[in-house]
Amino acid sequence: KAGVTQTPRYLIKTRGQQVTLSCSPISGHRSVSWYQQTPGQGLQFLFEYFSETQRNKGNFPGRFSGRQFSNSRSEMNVSTLELGDSALYLCASSLQIENTEAFFGQGTRLTVV
Amino acid sequence: GQQVMQIPQYQHVQEGEDFTTYCNSSTTLSNIQWYKQRPGGHPVFLIQLVKSGEVKKQKRLTFQFGEAKKNSSLHITATQTTDVGTYFCAVQGAQKLVFGQGTRLTINP
Repeated sequence: KAGVTQTPRYLIKTRGQQVTLSCSPISGHRSVSWYQQTPGQGLQFLFEYFSETQRNKGNFPGRFSGRQFSNSRSEMNVSTLELGDSALYLCASSLQIENTEAFFGQGTRLTVV
Repeated sequence: GQQVMQIPQYQHVQEGEDFTTYCNSSTTLSNIQWYKQRPGGHPVFLIQLVKSGEVKKQKRLTFQFGEAKKNSSLHITATQTTDVGTYFCAVQGAQKLVFGQGTRLTINP
């Protein structure tokens, strides 16, 4: 069974640009969550999707957005990139909405210069 | 919103020594999960605790859930270099998992 796949693995962007990250969950998993991980802030929740609906959003500016497709694949977009957006972006999928283990992808390392 | 405090933030031990990390919540938890993230890797699920006072073991790892379901601990007996990484607890918030800040474990061989 394939794991969670995130693409690309590494990305370098310039301030002001926008970026789209992709996440393919484990087959059969309909819940997809996104997290931002930085050395100082740990794992910060961005948003969670279930069956194409965003059910929760973290405390991030509107420049961060996402969506989920009918095949459960998810994308997140960051517009007008800032230096502080440099981080590891992790996607996690799970079988159920709550109280079940989350399977993480290997993440996308975004560097903004 | 749901928050969980995890201590210590860092722990350095000699190989063979024991290690413990703690998670504390001000509210009663429905369950708590533990994850391990190796350096350069991604978080990997270790275990979920659900019952009050629950104790679960995985080889040298012992997980406990407090009687009041407000705290939990992960104890590693006789650490090995393969135990290096950051250990996170995670609790269920509103349609999201809320992670503790993590305890980064380093080991002197």
